[in-house]
Amino acid sequence: KAGVTQTPRYLIKTRGQQVTLSCSPISGHRSVSWYQQTPGQGLQFLFEYFSETQRNKGNFPGRFSGRQFSNSRSEMNVSTLELGDSALYLCASSPRAGAFTDTQYFGPGTRLTVL
Amino acid sequence: SQQGEEDPQALSIQEGENATMNCSYKTSINNLQWYRQNSGRGLVHLILIRSNEREKHSGRLRVTLDTSKKSSSLLITASRAADTASYFCATEISSGSARQLTFGSGTQLTVLP
Repeated sequence: KAGVTQTPRYLIKTRGQQVTLSCSPISGHRSVSWYQQTPGQGLQFLFEYFSETQRNKGNFPGRFSGRQFSNSRSEMNVSTLELGDSALYLCASSPRAGAFTDTQYFGPGTRLTVL
Repeated sequence: SQQGEEDPQALSIQEGENATMNCSYKTSINNLQWYRQNSGRGLVHLILIRSNEREKHSGRLRVTLDTSKKSSSLLITASRAADTASYFCATEISSGSARQLTFGSGTQLTVLP
């Protein structure tokens, strides 16, 4: 099976712009979770989607949003970018919703740089 | 703030030695997981231990969990240069019907050949 893929791998934006990141889960996996990784804050959970519905949400402002399509692919959007949004954004897929007892399979990440 | 704090932040050992990393957390958990990350890439799931388990093994990995002390340890035996990576503990916590996976700050392990 192909692994979790994320596009693009690298992205450079300027403050105030918006960005959309994409994640394709492993075939058959219906849950997609998103995480932000920064040197200062470490790895933080953003949200989880299952069956096109957001099931769990971390403590991030409303500028961070996401959606999931019927084929389980997910997109994450960040509006009005700030310098502090520069990070590695990781997505992970697993078979079931909210069941972190399932192994989560991570993609390689999208490195976002905000100038 | 992060749920988990790992100790040490960095660890350097010789190939063949054992490596032990510790994780402490603050709130009650459903389970605790360990992940490895190579140089800013995606994470690889290593092992999961449930809150009612005390010890678990997987190959060269041994994980212990002490819920009374809110701590866990990861032991890698007979380390190899390829084990060089950052290791993170992650705790699954519940808040009402919501669940969240919260990561620790990580331990950077360097295995010298």
